[in-house]
Amino acid sequence: EVQLVESGGGLVQPGGSLRLSCAASGFTVSSNYMSWVRQAPGKGLEWVSVIYSGGSTYYADSVKGRFTISRDNSKNTLYLQMNSLRAEDTAVYYCARDQTTSASGYYYYYMDVWGKGTTVTVSS
Amino acid sequence: DIQMTQSPSSLSASVGDRVTITCRASQSISSYLNWYQQKPGKAPKLLIYAASSLQSGVPSRFSGSGSGTDFTLTISSLQPEDFATYYCQQSYSTPRGFGPGTKVDIK
Repeated sequence: EVQLVESGGGLVQPGGSLRLSCAASGFTVSSNYMSWVRQAPGKGLEWVSVIYSGGSTYYADSVKGRFTISRDNSKNTLYLQMNSLRAEDTAVYYCARDQTTSASGYYYYYMDVWGKGTTVTVSS
Repeated sequence: DIQMTQSPSSLSASVGDRVTITCRASQSISSYLNWYQQKPGKAPKLLIYAASSLQSGVPSRFSGSGSGTDFTLTISSLQPEDFATYYCQQSYSTPRGFGPGTKVDIK
């Protein structure tokens, strides 16, 4: 069964750090694009970061320079290292597989598998 | 960055109604547009990718259309399990932003 399970969330003080993990089963993390998406309480979805199968990484402006996406191929696990945390980083964090489909020479990307999320609360 | 907008922000509908949600991109994104459904306390679920392709296992009452900057998600006959929030997302370029969402509730 294809599955993603996040862990590592919790309560952290402003300025602190946290590392989120996303363990995959049923597919290989390193062969896929993988993303993090977050949702602040009562708010909409916010795209956070993506890592391509080739290793390139991209970030939302709101987290650039503070968050780092990475993966451990031996553990088939995706990570999000979050530093210099702020109150506005409080959210449920989801990891997702970025599936790719090609049609007429174009490649389309979409998040077809999601974890259940892990909650990060930044507060003193 | 490409900005995504949705309308309406919320709507009330009855079971059996035809529902249409609109998503607009701030610049052309060809067909790089996905639709997700989210229920309270749950992870989002992919409904439509590449503007009009139905994800496997998603009921055929859901359909998507559009290209360029204007897109539509249509639910042909609303069912009780369809009451949820719907988000569009562009995958044309990073950051792959989402629209603000459209909440569909019971009239």
